[in-house]
Amino acid sequence: TQLLEQSPQFLSIQEGENLTVYCNSSSVFSSLQWYRQEPGEGPVLLVTVVTGGEVKKLKRLTFQFGDARKDSSLHITAAQPGDTGLYLCAGERGGATNKLIFGTGTLLAVQP
Amino acid sequence: ETGVTQTPRHLVMGMTNKKSLKCEQHLGHNAMYWYKQSAKKPLELMFVYSLEERVENNSVPSRFSPECPNSSHLFLHLHTLQPEDSALYLCASSHIRGSTGNTIYFGEGSWLTVV
Repeated sequence: TQLLEQSPQFLSIQEGENLTVYCNSSSVFSSLQWYRQEPGEGPVLLVTVVTGGEVKKLKRLTFQFGDARKDSSLHITAAQPGDTGLYLCAGERGGATNKLIFGTGTLLAVQP
Repeated sequence: ETGVTQTPRHLVMGMTNKKSLKCEQHLGHNAMYWYKQSAKKPLELMFVYSLEERVENNSVPSRFSPECPNSSHLFLHLHTLQPEDSALYLCASSHIRGSTGNTIYFGEGSWLTVV
């Protein structure tokens, strides 16, 4: 079973703080995707990283794919209350069915 | 609005009822998915349809029966469910072009409570 472990599971911080969420696996993935899910909604894609070592920035969010394509991190600078939500990483196995293996999730609460 | 619409958003059903969840995508995608999201568990892939053919069935109990009549519509028929089947059921779609980097778009989900 390909398992994606995320850490931490829960994180409550003050507005303006920085944080990093980790996504780790013993398996290699063809790509790694990060989603954010707000209460009562479905997950929304934030970014896809494909190349080992790749770094992508989305405003205050920085995503990195590990060199061996087994792990990834999400760093948020100067967190805002609007960043609150469930962050999910998902590894793609490739192949014909575009199958994603989802991580265990990190629930982030940013207090004003 | 992600282009994937699910109905109903909330459903409460008894263990002997038969109900269906509906999903419609307006994105011209060629693949559709059902995922289950339970508390404290990762999102679980249930079924995958590619070009209206079921290509994946992840050992889902037969009380869940999917149907994909065309590339834009996906149903999940439910019968004789158990309380532990209560969860958020998410429909998703994607356009499978290559072997990697395909984006999956999720609907807002259907909250199911089995009593």
